Amino acid sequence: DTAVSQTPKYLVTQMGNDKSIKCEQNLGHDTMYWYKQDSKKFLKIMFSYNNKELIINETVPNRFSPKSPDKAHLNLHINSLELGDSAVYFCASSARGEMNTEAFFGQGTRLTVV
Amino acid sequence: AQSVTQLDSQVPVFEEAPVELRCNYSSSVSVYLFWYVQYPNQGLQLLLKYLSGSTLVKSINGFEAEFNKSQTSFHLRKPSVHISDTAEYFCAVSDPFGAQKLVFGQGTRLTINP
Repeated sequence: DTAVSQTPKYLVTQMGNDKSIKCEQNLGHDTMYWYKQDSKKFLKIMFSYNNKELIINETVPNRFSPKSPDKAHLNLHINSLELGDSAVYFCASSARGEMNTEAFFGQGTRLTVV
Repeated sequence: AQSVTQLDSQVPVFEEAPVELRCNYSSSVSVYLFWYVQYPNQGLQLLLKYLSGSTLVKSINGFEAEFNKSQTSFHLRKPSVHISDTAEYFCAVSDPFGAQKLVFGQGTRLTINP
């Protein structure tokens, strides 16, 4: 069983399109995240949700809109895609009660905007 | 604000040689420290973590890291590396009582040569 699963694994799309990446965790965690890894492998947090409530938004353009229908899912919707959005997007989850002890990551979604 | 600096972007070593990957952090509060490993085209996996207690922490596959508060460092070491250790290694820090997010270093690519 995959703990944190993302779909799709690869996504190639044209500039200006709207796309979504889905994430699900079966660990029973109440906090989920989206991280972005750029072409130089640098990882930076984008969003964090706790029990469906947004708690971190790291000055991400508002073309990016996370949605958490329940605490096991955190989807990322991106409007009007730009070339600079090309990156690997990682979903992660952790248990808040353990005070930041460990985040579990998905396999990543490689987004290529052409 | 917290930050992490990994001093080496690439570290090539021969198989069975020892290796040290350097990590320094900056934080005005207490920290939790982590090393994550990313194998090619995969997500991040936790290698080891320091939360409190003994400053020397070890992983199941022979890696160890030592928290040095005075030098604000958390260097990763292994006495004898294997080809399978080839990967990207990320040092990360989080605030135990603040916003739940990991702040990552730039990553170090460890390449093992036969």
